[in-house]
Amino acid sequence: AQSVTQPDIHITVSEGASLELRCNYSYGATPYLFWYVQSPGQGLQLLLKYFSGDTLVQGIKGFEAEFKRSQSSFNLRKPSVHWSDAAEYFCLIKAAGNKLTFGGGTRVLVKP
Amino acid sequence: IAGITQAPTSQILAAGRRMTLRCTQDMRHNAMYWYRQDLGLGLRLIHYSNTAGTTGKGEVPDGYSVSRANTDDFPLTLASAVPSQTSVYFCASSDGGEQFFGPGTRLTVL
Repeated sequence: AQSVTQPDIHITVSEGASLELRCNYSYGATPYLFWYVQSPGQGLQLLLKYFSGDTLVQGIKGFEAEFKRSQSSFNLRKPSVHWSDAAEYFCLIKAAGNKLTFGGGTRVLVKP
Repeated sequence: IAGITQAPTSQILAAGRRMTLRCTQDMRHNAMYWYRQDLGLGLRLIHYSNTAGTTGKGEVPDGYSVSRANTDDFPLTLASAVPSQTSVYFCASSDGGEQFFGPGTRLTVL
């Protein structure tokens, strides 16, 4: 069975600093990969996705993610964090047969 | 275009009562999903449907049932609610790639 691990439950970062959120997955092939963001009290919004091709993908709000097959990772990055980036971030994989698995989430706090 | 709507927005329910959470999408997506979100556990898949007329069990299906009579609607039923089903429930649909999420239903079972 597939699994997704987001090792960091909480991350605190200063406004303007860089951010990296880790995502590792376990699956026998390359799944579809997604990052979603959930602001407090809100639903989930897609930041970016990877299906195939260029392993560095650009998303909305200045986010990017890099797929590394050798490490089974899909880490999310942003060069300069804004206070509005405070939210919870979820990594999701979609395997064959529409099987979906979420990571446990990483809550990002932004210090002024 | 509404996307995905869920009803009710929130509900407080007595244990043992039956409850149906509604989900409707207007994007003609084949696949639909129900998740529950609990603090510290992220989102867990309850049931899914790859196309109208078919359903499948997710990670935490016990105590829940679904039906998919048509493409647009995917109701989730709690036959006899228990306090452990207190959660925020999200419906989603997919065109085979990206998942689109509804706004969620906050359910409290007392």
